[in-house]
Amino acid sequence: QKEVEQDPGPLSVPEGAIVSLNCTYSNSAFQYFMWYRQYSRKGPELLMYTYSSGNKEDGRFTAQVDKSSKYISLFIRDSQPSDSATYLCAMSASGGSTLGRLYFGRGTQLTVWP
Amino acid sequence: NAGVTQTPKFQVLKTGQSMTLQCAQDMNHNSMYWYRQDPGMGLRLIYYSASEGTTDKGEVPNGYNVSRLNKREFSLRLESAAPSQTSVYFCASSERVPNTEAFFGQGTRLTVV
Repeated sequence: QKEVEQDPGPLSVPEGAIVSLNCTYSNSAFQYFMWYRQYSRKGPELLMYTYSSGNKEDGRFTAQVDKSSKYISLFIRDSQPSDSATYLCAMSASGGSTLGRLYFGRGTQLTVWP
Repeated sequence: NAGVTQTPKFQVLKTGQSMTLQCAQDMNHNSMYWYRQDPGMGLRLIYYSASEGTTDKGEVPNGYNVSRLNKREFSLRLESAAPSQTSVYFCASSERVPNTEAFFGQGTRLTVV
């Protein structure tokens, strides 16, 4: 079992829809939770970052972390065609020999059609 | 602002050939990583270097070797390429801190025929 599980989709929604992307994880040492966005033929780029449990909002994007359930989510409101990309969740621990190493989900491919 | 630079961008190899993928970062990061990305498999860690002078295996190290040449450069070598190594390879770098952001290169598209 991978340490981070993410449904690869693909997910296709109309413009303006609310999109929900999710990941689950098994390692209780994970404290830092991130979402990366990857456009076609590009490298991933950090979209949002959350520490421990709770919510974080940035414009149309909201990241949620539920450590008790080992479950994280990314919500996109009023989705736009420019949001079409692959979204990867990533996590890291607060210390130990793997300090700084990121553990990625498989990524969910999202298409927003006009 | 170069960030993470990978060379080459594209490469076609014949089975059994060898090659080295080069990666350099100009952000003075301690940690560097090599990933491969295949359809439906996400990013899989091949090797990483937590700091200059150290390297460790990731999830899929077989068939690869790495060299952390200095703080800036981290190379990935395929000694005898196989079709199963056809993939997109990404180099990344980050600080060696918990809340780190990883910065990725633009990728190398490798085809082994």
